Parts: sequence; structure tokens; C-alpha cells
Amino acid sequence: DIVMTQSPDSLAVSLGERATINCKSSQSVLFSSNNKNYIAWYQKKPGQPPKLLIYWASIRESGVPDRFSGSGSGTDFTLTISSLQAEDVAVYYCQQYYTPPYTFGQGTKLEIK
Amino acid sequence: EVQLVESGGGFIQPGRSLRLSCSASGFTFGDFAVNWVRQAPGKGLEWLGFIRNRAYGETRDYAASVKGRFIISRDDSSRVAYLQMNSLRTEDTAVYYCTRLSVVTDEGFDIWGQGTMVTVSS
Repeated sequence: DIVMTQSPDSLAVSLGERATINCKSSQSVLFSSNNKNYIAWYQKKPGQPPKLLIYWASIRESGVPDRFSGSGSGTDFTLTISSLQAEDVAVYYCQQYYTPPYTFGQGTKLEIK
Repeated sequence: EVQLVESGGGFIQPGRSLRLSCSASGFTFGDFAVNWVRQAPGKGLEWLGFIRNRAYGETRDYAASVKGRFIISRDDSSRVAYLQMNSLRTEDTAVYYCTRLSVVTDEGFDIWGQGTMVTVSS
């Protein structure tokens, strides 16, 4: 199974500042036939279902604010929030959907400093 | 409106069985694989398994933690997917979500249900 490891486990950032969350997979999730990394990022708030933010490591889902961006390839990935807003307080998860089981990272709790 | 709605959760004793349903509307259900994901209290997201669509043979795969106990099925004519949970354990207590993944575009789990709570306790 592919193990997904996020860092840090928690993060406190001031409003308007940049937040960066890292995700590492135990093996490459790059599908060679289409050159796509099968990594997604989700935002999870209490009492709500997860919300897809990013797929294929860097493609923003429709309707997601452009302050959210994803990058990386192979085994190392990053979610960046360029200017933190109060509504971004949540737990963020990376996930690989390259091969089942489609494992999630352990989550990163993002708070306001 | 594109949506998934789970139902069937509740309170159940260890060792018993429960079946969850996931009803789809607003999109072509047969174009998507259905995944089940859960979140135990205070824990992270855990992928449980999926069922592909008919074009991909309705093949299934499961997480090791539920393989042999949980069974995913689907009825495209009714636009419903199911999660049959057998031999339930206290550690299966969680909110259970169904979510879809396009078998054509692979653009992540874009639509989720609101979740249904399952509590396993004596």
C-alpha cells in the first residue's frame, strides 16, 4: 500500500499570510501514460463532508478560490494557501488515487495565529 | 443538482450487520465509480473501498481493515450504491461518506454525501 505522510500535523498562520502543507507518498503516483500525478487535496471542516480542492496534484477544482494551489510530482507534493482567510480554518488531507487502496494522509490542522 | 445522499446509519451492537445506502441524483450514475470513506471520532479520513461502473466490470477493491467484512454493491437502475457491513466492531464507529470518481476523467472525489453516522456499541 502507498503510505501518505503529511507535514506538519498542525499549523498556525496569521491572516493574510501564506500556509504551506507538504505531502509525501511512499512511492511515485505519476502515471507515465498521461504524465499525471494522481494526488488530490481535500478540505474538511467539522460537520461537513470533505471538499475537493485540487486534483492531479495541481488542478484547482471548479469554484475553489485561486489562493489555493497545488504543486509537486512523483512523491513530493505541496498545498499552498497564498493569503490565509478566516474561512480556511480546517483540516487538510492529501490522497493518492493512483492505485487502491486510495490512501489519505493523516491530515494537517490549520489554525489562525 | 448533483448530489449523493447516504442513509441507513444508526446505533448497532457489535457483531451485527448494517447496510448503508448512497442515492445519487443529478448526474449519470453509471459513468462513475462509487467510493466509501469514513471518519471515526477524532480521527482522519479512511478510504474503505470502491465499486467501478458496469463498463469496468463493476470490479471492487477494499481496504485491508474491512476486507472480508464489508461488501460494496450498486444498482444502476435505481441509482443507488450500498455498503453492507458485517461483523461490526466498536472501532467501526464513524461517519460514513459515499463519494464518486469518474472512471473516464479521474478528477478526484468531487462530490460527497453529507455522511451517515454509525455507532457500534453494546
